[in-house]
Amino acid sequence: GNSVTQMEGPVTLSEEAFLTINCTYTATGYPSLFWYVQYPGEGLQLLLKATKADDKGSNKGFEATYRKETTSFHLEKGSVQVSDSAVYFCALRSQGAQKLVFGQGTRLTINP
Amino acid sequence: NAGVTQTPKFQVLKTGQSMTLQCAQDMNHEYMSWYRQDPGMGLRLIHYSVGAGITDQGEVPNGYNVSRSTTEDFPLRLLSAAPSQTSVYFCASSSGPRVGNQPQHFGDGTRLSIL
Repeated sequence: GNSVTQMEGPVTLSEEAFLTINCTYTATGYPSLFWYVQYPGEGLQLLLKATKADDKGSNKGFEATYRKETTSFHLEKGSVQVSDSAVYFCALRSQGAQKLVFGQGTRLTINP
Repeated sequence: NAGVTQTPKFQVLKTGQSMTLQCAQDMNHEYMSWYRQDPGMGLRLIHYSVGAGITDQGEVPNGYNVSRSTTEDFPLRLLSAAPSQTSVYFCASSSGPRVGNQPQHFGDGTRLSIL
């Protein structure tokens, strides 16, 4: 079946550090890939998405590239801020489906 | 612009009690779903609906019932609450596949504790 694996957290960084959160997936065909962010006490918000191989999703300084050859969708940001502290979820949606399959989430804390 | 609205935000129940978690969306979305979020396990799909009158089971459906009598509402029922159902519950909606790869919109969650 389909599955998503994220790097274990929590991740703690200093402000302005470079961020990478790894995400790999298992799926048949060509799924769509997503990163969602959950700020404390809130629901999930879509951060970025990519719907086909080699697509790069980007938003708020975050980027992720859909790599079919390595089945990966790693999240990166060049210079993190305290306000980026949140839980980040990688997710996939199979072709023609609406259901999302989530990774376990990675808690990110940015210290000033 | 309400989006997806969940009520209540917090609830404490005793084992064996029943309750309904409410979810409503005002975006005319066909697809609605319920997830539970547990530490270290991400979000797991409980039930989903592809339109009014149609529901189906997700990954962890046991102990929960749903119905979809209208496009707007998708309530989740716990018939006899158990401590294992202590979790944070999220409702989500999206437009159907006929309008392409649209992302899901999430409510703010219901934090449920079963004593």
